[in-house]
Amino acid sequence: GQQVMQIPQYQHVQEGEDFTTYCNSSTTLSNIQWYKQRPGGHPVFLIQLVKSGEVKKQKRLTFQFGEAKKNSSLHITATQTTDVGTYFCAGNYGGSQGNLIFGKGTKLSVKP
Amino acid sequence: EAQVTQNPRYLITVTGKKLTVTCSQNMNHEYMSWYRQDPGLGLRQIYYSMNVEVTDKGDVPEGYKVSRKEKRNFPLILESPSPNQTSLYFCASSLIRFANTGELFFGEGSRLTVL
Repeated sequence: GQQVMQIPQYQHVQEGEDFTTYCNSSTTLSNIQWYKQRPGGHPVFLIQLVKSGEVKKQKRLTFQFGEAKKNSSLHITATQTTDVGTYFCAGNYGGSQGNLIFGKGTKLSVKP
Repeated sequence: EAQVTQNPRYLITVTGKKLTVTCSQNMNHEYMSWYRQDPGLGLRQIYYSMNVEVTDKGDVPEGYKVSRKEKRNFPLILESPSPNQTSLYFCASSLIRFANTGELFFGEGSRLTVL
């Protein structure tokens, strides 16, 4: 079946450093979503990217969708301790909500 | 308050004892889904429902059943639980009336242990 590969699996950074997580698919995606899960919490929606080459920003977070709609990235500038958690991408194949496939997530830890 | 409510939040049970995890949403969402989360495996979809009386298998449906008799409820049934179903379960819902895909709203999670 379809797979969304997400790397790295873990990332440890010093507070103030930047962080990036990447998602890749072997086939074209209809769109991609990003979620954040705080330790002990549930996933919370961050954003959805639909257009080829799309770039969206939310404060210190920058989301990109590749030109071929096969890859995406989330970049956090100057991490803070509040950024701790696991970040998941979820790729959509076929344009239906039922075809959403989650990556395995990148667990971010931030050292103060 | 808009929310997805799951019950129970924590459960320890024994192999073979049927159990149901309830999920209810108050946002009038058409789409509902169940995921299980295991260390290193991320979120894997068990079943989903596009609307009332419409359900479909996800990636890991074996050992689970669902029903969608009402729009707000989407219970997950384990007819004969086994230890490999020990996991953290999330229910999620989404509004898809105006678009094919949208933001998933997740419940708080149900941690199930099968001995």
